[in-house]
Amino acid sequence: TQLLEQSPQFLSIQEGENLTVYCNSSSVFSSLQWYRQEPGEGPVLLVTVVTGGEVKKLKRLTFQFGDARKDSSLHITAAQPGDTGLYLCAGRNAGGTSYGKLTFGQGTILTVHP
Amino acid sequence: NAGVTQTPKFQVLKTGQSMTLQCAQDMNHNSMYWYRQDPGMGLRLIYYSASEGTTDKGEVPNGYNVSRLNKREFSLRLESAAPSQTSVYFCASSETTFGNIQYFGAGTRLSVL
Repeated sequence: TQLLEQSPQFLSIQEGENLTVYCNSSSVFSSLQWYRQEPGEGPVLLVTVVTGGEVKKLKRLTFQFGDARKDSSLHITAAQPGDTGLYLCAGRNAGGTSYGKLTFGQGTILTVHP
Repeated sequence: NAGVTQTPKFQVLKTGQSMTLQCAQDMNHNSMYWYRQDPGMGLRLIYYSASEGTTDKGEVPNGYNVSRLNKREFSLRLESAAPSQTSVYFCASSETTFGNIQYFGAGTRLSVL
């Protein structure tokens, strides 16, 4: 079973600060996705990164896939209260009996205070 | 466009009771999934249906059964609920099996006493 370790589990910051969330694994993934989930709702896909070393930007959010496709990071610049939520990473399994299935990290609960 | 609809939103059961969680999607997707979400454990796949007429076990299938009623609907049944099944359950769908984008419902929060 492939595992994804996500850190930190909780993050409480002030509006305007920068932050980074990490997802790490000893396994290789064919792609890595980041989701955002608000209370009472299901996860919503933010981005998919596919190529090792790939960097994608979505306004103030920057996503990076590690060169070896074993880790990923989400960086938010100048966080706003509207960024508050649960952030989940999910790796697409690259082989074995779980090929193609998603392995989710534990999630990071982000709170941005005005 | 409703997307993925789950019912009920909340449910409280006593140990040993049974219930069925309903899920329907209106995006004409071939594949559907059931996940459970527990604090500190992310989402774990319970069962999935690659296409109408097929179902397969995921990571944590014990204690659950599923039915792909038609292309739109995929239900999850707890035959004899246990406290360990207290969780938030999410249904999802995608155009292809484990396709790039999975669309999630709003979840069913289940408590088993």
